Formats: sequence, structure tokens, C-alpha cells
Amino acid sequence: DIKMTQSPSSMYASLGERVTITCKASQDINSYLSWFQQKPGKSPKTLIYRPNRLVDGVPSRFSGSGSGQDYSLTISSLEYEDMGIYYCLQYDEFPYTFGGGTKLEIK
Amino acid sequence: QVQLQQPGAELVKPGASVKLSCKASGYTFATYNIHWIKQTPGQGLEWIGPIYPGNGHTSYNQKFKGKATLTADKSSSTAYMQLSSLTSEDSAVYYCAQGGRGDWFAYWGQGTLVTVSA
Repeated sequence: DIKMTQSPSSMYASLGERVTITCKASQDINSYLSWFQQKPGKSPKTLIYRPNRLVDGVPSRFSGSGSGQDYSLTISSLEYEDMGIYYCLQYDEFPYTFGGGTKLEIK
Repeated sequence: QVQLQQPGAELVKPGASVKLSCKASGYTFATYNIHWIKQTPGQGLEWIGPIYPGNGHTSYNQKFKGKATLTADKSSSTAYMQLSSLTSEDSAVYYCAQGGRGDWFAYWGQGTLVTVSA
């Protein structure tokens, strides 16, 4: 199975700060990577896929990049509503696997 | 708009089975995979597998073979996941998600909280 190592596992950031979360796959996943945001008690919301295509309606401050084994999600200017847990998912190969999550809190 | 409707909660006894539903609307049900995902506080998100409603083809994460059975009813645009021989380890929130074109998990259901308790 492909292991997705996500970092950091938790972080505090200030409003307006640039935030970057990374995911490293245990092998090349050919850019088949999605990012999700989850808020307490809610289902995950898809933000980005493939790995830099923004889902309709997602604010443009979110962006994704990467290739091969290394991928990142960037929030260019953190807003209060961006608090939550972020997950990556590789969908290159069965079984699909998720990263362990990054809990983002406002400082 | 695309919606995936799931019941909010199920309470089941150890050793029993439960059949979870995921009713799709807003798109042609047969067109995209429906994936099932388990979420627990300790294990995070785990992918169980997909069903392609167009022909009923399924794939399973080896970890869930024998535990989960995926089916779909095109007439009602509903996907199902049956979980068998339930134990406390199966207590979790179970989500369905539509794969979308390219299988990138375009839409998610609200999740069903399954509690296994006597």
C-alpha cells in the first residue's frame, strides 16, 4: 500500500499568514492527489485535485502543487474560516490512502 | 446540485450486520464510482472501496474484505454498504463519496455514525 506522510500533524498560524501543508507519498503517485478540509462534525470538503485544480467555489487563496512523491497545499493568506483538519488522498493506485491529517488552528 | 444523502446514525448490537445507504441525486448515478470511507478518531480516514453503479463492479481494500459488501440499485440511485459481524472496532463514521470524472472524490455524503453496543 502507498503510505502518505502528511506534515505537520498540527499547527498554529496567524490570520493573514501564508500556510503550507505537505504530503509525501511512499512512491510516485503521478499527481493523482486530492486535498480535503474537514470541520468538526462535518464531512470532508474537497478543495483541490490532480494536484493543482481548484474545485469550483473554493477560494483562490487555496492552491496545490507537486509531482512525483511530494505535494503541498498552500493557503496564501489565512482566514478564520480556514480552521479545520486537512487531509490528502492518493488515488493513483488501489487501495487509495489518506494522509494522517493536519489540524490547523488560529494563533 | 449533486447530493449524497446518508442516514445520520445506526445503533447495532455486536455480532449483527447493518446495511448503510447513500442516495444520490443531481447527476446520472450510473456514471461515477461511489466510494466508501471509514473515519475513526484513532485511525483517521480509511478507504473501504468503490462500486461502479453502471455495471456493479466493486473493489475492496484488503483490510475490509469479508467485512464490507458494496451494492448499488440504479432504479433508486442508491448505493449500499453492508457491514457484517460487527464489533466495537467497527464503531465509526462511514462516508460515501462520489468519485467524479477522474475519481478524485468530488462530493461527500454527510456520513452515518455507526455505534456497536449491546
